Amino acid sequence: DADVTQTPRNRITKTGKRIMLECSQTKGHDRMYWYRQDPGLGLQLIYYSFDVKDINKGEISDGYSVSRQAQAKFSLSLESAIPNQTALYFCATSSGQVDTGELFFGEGSRLTVL
Amino acid sequence: GQNIDQPTEMTATEGAIVQINCTYQTSGFNGLFWYQQHAGEAPTFLSYNVLDGLEEKGRFSSFLSRSKGYSYLLLKELQMKDSASYLCAAMDSNYQLIWGAGTKLIIKP
Repeated sequence: DADVTQTPRNRITKTGKRIMLECSQTKGHDRMYWYRQDPGLGLQLIYYSFDVKDINKGEISDGYSVSRQAQAKFSLSLESAIPNQTALYFCATSSGQVDTGELFFGEGSRLTVL
Repeated sequence: GQNIDQPTEMTATEGAIVQINCTYQTSGFNGLFWYQQHAGEAPTFLSYNVLDGLEEKGRFSSFLSRSKGYSYLLLKELQMKDSASYLCAAMDSNYQLIWGAGTKLIIKP
């Protein structure tokens, strides 16, 4: 089983719909992240959380919200989806160790907004 | 502003050596990362450099020059399975990763 699991893996929705992408991890990491990836662009950070009570906006948080329900769960919501939110979304975790900062990624959730 | 530059695409031959370059400009610096991403899959960690010099890990090596804001990933004895995108990312003073757009590496027989 994957250490970082995302659901759904693929979703097609219509403009204006509310969408939730869920992420759960078994790595025991405190830090969790949501990124989006678009063709030709680097990974862009949407939100991140260093523990259950700590939520921070990333570089492209507009139009998104998150919930850290537990150490192991971090959900991303699109309250009213729009076509330019069509992208591949990744959840990631890290231990917070400064010396490596290695991120462990989920398998991705491909979202299409029509 | 903060910026990462790497070539969009490179082509190499199976069994050969390829070097993928990355230049970075960040507010502060806490290390340079390389990740591999196969098409449709998640990125996976390859290497981390924070001090100048070369780090070797099997067929892959990564080099850093902090004074030049420059890194490269060296892949030796290329195999078809090395066909993937290679992502360069620099960690800034706030310990946030700034990502390049990735270099798509095509391996030909």
